[in-house]
Amino acid sequence: EAQVTQNPRYLITVTGKKLTVTCSQNMNHEYMSWYRQDPGLGLRQIYYSMNVEVTDKGDVPEGYKVSRKEKRNFPLILESPSPNQTSLYFCASSLGGDGNSPLHFGNGTRLTVT
Amino acid sequence: AQSVTQLGSHVSVSEGALVLLRCNYSSSVPPYLFWYVQYPNQGLQLLLKYTTGATLVKGINGFEAEFKKSETSFHLTKPSAHMSDAAEYFCAVSAGYSSNTGKLIFGQGTTLQVKP
Repeated sequence: EAQVTQNPRYLITVTGKKLTVTCSQNMNHEYMSWYRQDPGLGLRQIYYSMNVEVTDKGDVPEGYKVSRKEKRNFPLILESPSPNQTSLYFCASSLGGDGNSPLHFGNGTRLTVT
Repeated sequence: AQSVTQLGSHVSVSEGALVLLRCNYSSSVPPYLFWYVQYPNQGLQLLLKYTTGATLVKGINGFEAEFKKSETSFHLTKPSAHMSDAAEYFCAVSAGYSSNTGKLIFGQGTTLQVKP
């Protein structure tokens, strides 16, 4: 089954404790992206990747890092989480970064930073 | 630059009634437009998209949307609501063929409630 898999689904952590949210897709998609969803703000892009070893900042990249060493994986790293990073995070992928290919979303990771 | 405004954060309809979810966009280039649906505890799923060609676009689950360039709108409709349509709906825009980032700009979302 074609899917985007994120782990974990739920995560509670404390300020400053480094964490990684994993994302993997099995559709051989070139384009991958991370979004955060906050009430009343919709989804905002954090980082995106057009292909292996090619990543770039989205609209809200502060406090986040990403890497794209393999085509299928695109982990999101929070080096020193803060409470304002409490949010619902989505990984998404698409065939290409041409703005035409629809995004396929994972089921989300709900992060709480205390 | 692109932006999206969804009018109404909550819409409530009775089962069997018309569903109308409003979306207005702003784009400096010909846009691509999308509607996504999010069911509780799930990711977003594509309902339909407009890229070029026919301005009336049909999607899954009986939904359709019409691209109106003169009104910069892309409203989502369904003739008869079903209880299973209760979800959050997001309108999104990209920079179309001008895009070199693949980024979608999402609206704030509209929660659809369907009453029996």
